[in-house]
Amino acid sequence: DAGITQSPRHKVTETGTPVTLRCHQTENHRYMYWYRQDPGHGLRLIHYSYGVKDTDKGEVSDGYSVSRSKTEDFLLTLESATSSQTSVYFCAISGGQGAAQPQHFGDGTRLSIL
Amino acid sequence: QKEVEQDPGPLSVPEGAIVSLNCTYSNSAFQYFMWYRQYSRKGPELLMYTYSSGNKEDGRFTAQVDKSSKYISLFIRDSQPSDSATYLCAMSAEYGNKLVFGAGTILRVKS
Repeated sequence: DAGITQSPRHKVTETGTPVTLRCHQTENHRYMYWYRQDPGHGLRLIHYSYGVKDTDKGEVSDGYSVSRSKTEDFLLTLESATSSQTSVYFCAISGGQGAAQPQHFGDGTRLSIL
Repeated sequence: QKEVEQDPGPLSVPEGAIVSLNCTYSNSAFQYFMWYRQYSRKGPELLMYTYSSGNKEDGRFTAQVDKSSKYISLFIRDSQPSDSATYLCAMSAEYGNKLVFGAGTILRVKS
């Protein structure tokens, strides 16, 4: 395993509440990513980080924010959760710059927003 | 039209069969091509990783890339029930690390 822990693994919450998902890595990798996975869409990039305090938007970033204050932790926050954000969220890490370093994934967080 | 197209299946085969999984793509800038395997309620696991065109073999798995046709394939020989999973293709351009995924193909290998 790539040394990636996502927490919580499951969460049910109500529309309008804030939600924070955590990704913790023990590989000291520079790059970290948040994806969401929905039926028929595969994995879509939400945000990514290329270093401490360095983040950028992905394909589906609206309604999400991220923070990375330490190399090992990357947080994904839904400021005011909506039912359309019900999904499975995956964190990934990669070791180097550029596409030559493949990404490795955690086991996901199942988030249900009622 | 999606940037990467992948037949969702499910694809059902008998044990021992040769399996062919495919993706097509539209962005000619893609240079790096990956196949991930995902078991139920688990994260994607990297299976194969290739650069540009050509073939790569690893045990029972062979990945092929045909950039002229914008078409990639994953072949599984002597398929086993343990190969039952969702297979995701993914690709990225030479510069940058943003992967674009196919929607995944569900494979079922029957014993």
